[in-house]
Amino acid sequence: AQRVTQPEKLLSVFKGAPVELKCNYSYSGSPELFWYVQYSRQRLQLLLRHISRESIKGFTADLNKGETSFHLKKPFAQEEDSAMYYCALSGGSGTYKYIFGTGTRLKVLA
Amino acid sequence: KAGVTQTPRYLIKTRGQQVTLSCSPISGHRSVSWYQQTPGQGLQFLFEYFSETQRNKGNFPGRFSGRQFSNSRSEMNVSTLELGDSALYLCASRLAGASGEQYFGPGTRLTVT
Repeated sequence: AQRVTQPEKLLSVFKGAPVELKCNYSYSGSPELFWYVQYSRQRLQLLLRHISRESIKGFTADLNKGETSFHLKKPFAQEEDSAMYYCALSGGSGTYKYIFGTGTRLKVLA
Repeated sequence: KAGVTQTPRYLIKTRGQQVTLSCSPISGHRSVSWYQQTPGQGLQFLFEYFSETQRNKGNFPGRFSGRQFSNSRSEMNVSTLELGDSALYLCASRLAGASGEQYFGPGTRLTVT
């Protein structure tokens, strides 16, 4: 079955601590992986995508095809990182599916 | 360029009624997807339209339907509303291709009483 799994509904960390939001996927083919973020009272928006291999707001995510994972990491959490994070995948050429995980709420404590 | 817009932003309906939500995608985007967002279930995919055709559908009952017009604007309809339909309904648009970033609207908050 094609799915995106985010095992943690809520993740609480202290300011300055490292953060890792887990994402595992199941998909036959070569999907494109994304992380989306939704801050309080703001629209859901793209945070980063695996093909760009860039760091956004200090966050990075590496696609591990062997483990079918795309975990989101940040070495030092900040209070403004508190938000809802969704992992998503987009099917490759020939399919148009876009699958989201159930999301992880990140709370960064002062 | 202007972002994705959704109207209305808030709706209150009673059980048994029907509702129509509207979404205007970013200019040039031909794909429009609809999602239901609730605190318990997260983001759940409803359907996607491309060039006026539904090309993907989620696991929602037939009470949920949609359509897309030739200008790529899309509407979503929910008939015979139930209390459990209370949610934030999000619309997202993207370019024609299979992959790529989705751009989300602010959502329509539907409350069913």
